[in-house]
Order: sequence, then structure tokens, then C-alpha cells
Amino acid sequence: AQKVTQAQTEISVVEKEDVTLDCVYETRDTTYYLFWYKQPPSGELVFLIRRNSFDEQNEISGRYSWNFQKSTSSFNFTITASQVVDSAVYFCALSEDGTYKYIFGTGTRLKVLA
Amino acid sequence: ETGVTQSPTHLIKTRGQQVTLRCSSQSGHNTVSWYQQALGQGPQFIFQYYREEENGRGNFPPRFSGLQFPNYSSELNVNALELDDSALYLCASSLRQGKNEQYFGPGTRLTVT
Repeated sequence: AQKVTQAQTEISVVEKEDVTLDCVYETRDTTYYLFWYKQPPSGELVFLIRRNSFDEQNEISGRYSWNFQKSTSSFNFTITASQVVDSAVYFCALSEDGTYKYIFGTGTRLKVLA
Repeated sequence: ETGVTQSPTHLIKTRGQQVTLRCSSQSGHNTVSWYQQALGQGPQFIFQYYREEENGRGNFPPRFSGLQFPNYSSELNVNALELDDSALYLCASSLRQGKNEQYFGPGTRLTVT
């Protein structure tokens, strides 16, 4: 069965702190894709990153970085030097090869305080 | 912005009524997926359309139905509305081949009273 778990319901940090959002997934497929999306108060899901199961390289994009570890079935997201504009709900999602549907976690609400 | 548009933005309906939500996909995208997001939850997959045919469905009853048109725009229809249908409905477009990421529209907030 496919499942995505985001155990952190809500995190509050002070601006400029680093914060890591956890994502643990379950799948029986060997080929799958993992995603992170940001949902600001406006409601639109904003695509942040896609990672396929054969690529375990960590990725850095500006203040954002992602750590993918197949051994622990985790795909964690770190924001360095957080800013108030980072405040949003962040979702991790899983898509198995050929299904084209996403399984979302329940999201982590990040509040960055000035 | 993703180029995916949805209408209307907000909608209030009464239990038992029917509703149609609309989505225009990003230019060049041939696949549209619909998701329901209840308050405080992650989006749940309803179904996906590719080349005007349903291509995969989540755990939703038949009163949730859809259409995709030749220009790849799409409609979500919900009959016999129930209070639990109150949610944000998100449309996402993507390319069937190639990269798998979906681009989401701003959503339609449906309230059933």
C-alpha cells in the first residue's frame, strides 16, 4: 500500500532559523516519484521539487535543500535561514510509476515569526 | 503562476444539489487530475483524464464524474451534494509523457449547507 506520513503537524520558528520538514513514505514499487509542494494561504499548490527513486542525490536550490534516503524511506526538506514568506503548509507526495496519481501526506504547517 | 485556471473561485450549494467545476489546463498539457482537499487535510485524488477519457480513479463514489474536452480543459461534476463534499477542489495539469510533476490551479472552495 502507498502511504505518505508527515508526522509534524505544525512547526513554529523564528526568522533566520533553519527548519527541517520530515516525510516518510511507503511503497512496494521500485520506480516511484517523490514531490514537495508549498501551499500558501491563497490555496494554490506550488511545485518545489520532484525526485525519482533512482536518484538519491541530495539537492540544493537556494535556501531549500532535500535529503532523500531510500534506506529509511524518507525525503526530508530543509529551509535554511527561514523567512516570514516561507510560512505555508508544505506537502510531501508520492506517485508510483504508471499511476499518474499523487498520494499526499497530511501536510506540515510552518509558521515563521518575525 | 502555473497557467492552470479554475472557476468559480467560491461556491455555496445546498445539500442534494448538483455542481459543476471547471478547469483550464496549462498550455501544452494533455492530462488533467482532480483532487479534493478537506480542511486541514492533504489533497485526495478523485480521478484523472487523458485524451478525453478517465484514466484512473480514487476512492470516490460515482456521483463524482468528469469530462475532458478536445482543448484539454476539464469539468468536475458532483451530484446529490452532501455536507462532507465541502472542500477545496484542486485541478492539476501535466504531460502524460515525460516529467511527472503536476501543476495545480488555485482551486474552487465549495461549501455545502
